[in-house]
Amino acid sequence: KAGVTQTPRYLIKTRGQQVTLSCSPISGHRSVSWYQQTPGQGLQFLFEYFSETQRNKGNFPGRFSGRQFSNSRSEMNVSTLELGDSALYLCASSLYGTGFYEQYFGPGTRLTVT
Amino acid sequence: TQLLEQSPQFLSIQEGENLTVYCNSSSVFSSLQWYRQEPGEGPVLLVTVVTGGEVKKLKRLTFQFGVARKDSSLHITAAQPGDTGLYLCAGPNAGNMLTFGGGTRLMVKP
Repeated sequence: KAGVTQTPRYLIKTRGQQVTLSCSPISGHRSVSWYQQTPGQGLQFLFEYFSETQRNKGNFPGRFSGRQFSNSRSEMNVSTLELGDSALYLCASSLYGTGFYEQYFGPGTRLTVT
Repeated sequence: TQLLEQSPQFLSIQEGENLTVYCNSSSVFSSLQWYRQEPGEGPVLLVTVVTGGEVKKLKRLTFQFGVARKDSSLHITAAQPGDTGLYLCAGPNAGNMLTFGGGTRLMVKP
């Protein structure tokens, strides 16, 4: 079956702009989680959506938001971009959620903020 | 906040050598997972350990979960260039959010 897909794969934005990233989970998976990966902070949990509801949220400012659609596809939005937002943004899908359950990661979107 | 510390951060070895990577915490985890991430890709789950003292083998990879469920190790026997990548441990914290260790970047030279 098809894996997790993320679009776009690469993105360059300017400080102050906003950006929307998209994630299509594996068919049948209802949980989608988003992570930020940077060389300094490593992999950090942003939020998880399950059946269109945000179930968990990490310690990130309100500029980071997300949503999930009825077909389980998810988007995350970052407003008023800062240089420190440059990172690899990973999306993961799962049948039941995060934690103990197996998650399947997409290849990520590489965001560069100049 | 439950933190996971991995050591070493970097490891460069020759093909055929053995190695061990460690994942430690001061907190108890109900389970721990190990992932491998290759350049340009997302992490791929290798194993989930649940029971204290548990040992799981995946071909040349041996995973162990500490008896107290505060630490885990990954041992690779006869490493191959294909084992090159970033190895990450992760565990669920309060609220079932996944916390990741900083990772061990392994390079296996032919």
